[in-house]
Amino acid sequence: EIVLTQSPATLSLSPGERATLSCRASRSVSSYLAWYQQKPGQAPRLLIYDASNRATGIPARFSGSGSGTDFTLTISSLEPEDFAVYYCQQRSDWPRTFGQGTKLQIK
Amino acid sequence: EVQLLESGGGLVQPGGSLRLSCAASGFTFSNYAMSWVRQAPGKGLEWLSIISGSGGSTNSADSVKGRFTISRDNSKNTLYLQMNSLGAEDTAVYYCAKGGWSSVFDIWGQGTMVTVSS
Repeated sequence: EIVLTQSPATLSLSPGERATLSCRASRSVSSYLAWYQQKPGQAPRLLIYDASNRATGIPARFSGSGSGTDFTLTISSLEPEDFAVYYCQQRSDWPRTFGQGTKLQIK
Repeated sequence: EVQLLESGGGLVQPGGSLRLSCAASGFTFSNYAMSWVRQAPGKGLEWLSIISGSGGSTNSADSVKGRFTISRDNSKNTLYLQMNSLGAEDTAVYYCAKGGWSSVFDIWGQGTMVTVSS
């Protein structure tokens, strides 16, 4: 199966700062990578699909890039509501797999 | 409004069975593949199973193959997950999600908790 490795495990930043989250695949997933945000007690929410496309209603401060095995989620200027756990997920092969998550916390 | 609402979770003894349901509304249910994803307490997300819009094709993770069965009733706009031979490792919040076959999981339910314990 394709293993997705996210880094860092925890990222401590302040509101207004730029956040850069990484996801590395064990083999190429082409551009078939998505990013989800999950807040405590809530279901995940789709942010980015196919590496760089924002989902409906997602603010422009969220952007995704990458292809093949290396992907990045960037939040240009953190808002208080952005502090959450972020997961990447591939749909290139079966089984569908998720990264272990990056916790974005307030510094 | 597009909505998914899971039900059927609860406390079950090891070796027992449970059936989860996911009621869909706000979209043409039969047009979309549907999936189940779970999250153990304090852990990450694990995809479990998927079914095509017609119900004619399914796929599952090895961890649940032979124990869990995904199905759907398009006349009732409802997705199911029959879970048998449950063990402590199956304790988790179970989410249904729209998509997953040739698309991402774009809509998620609120989840239903399953606890396997004696």
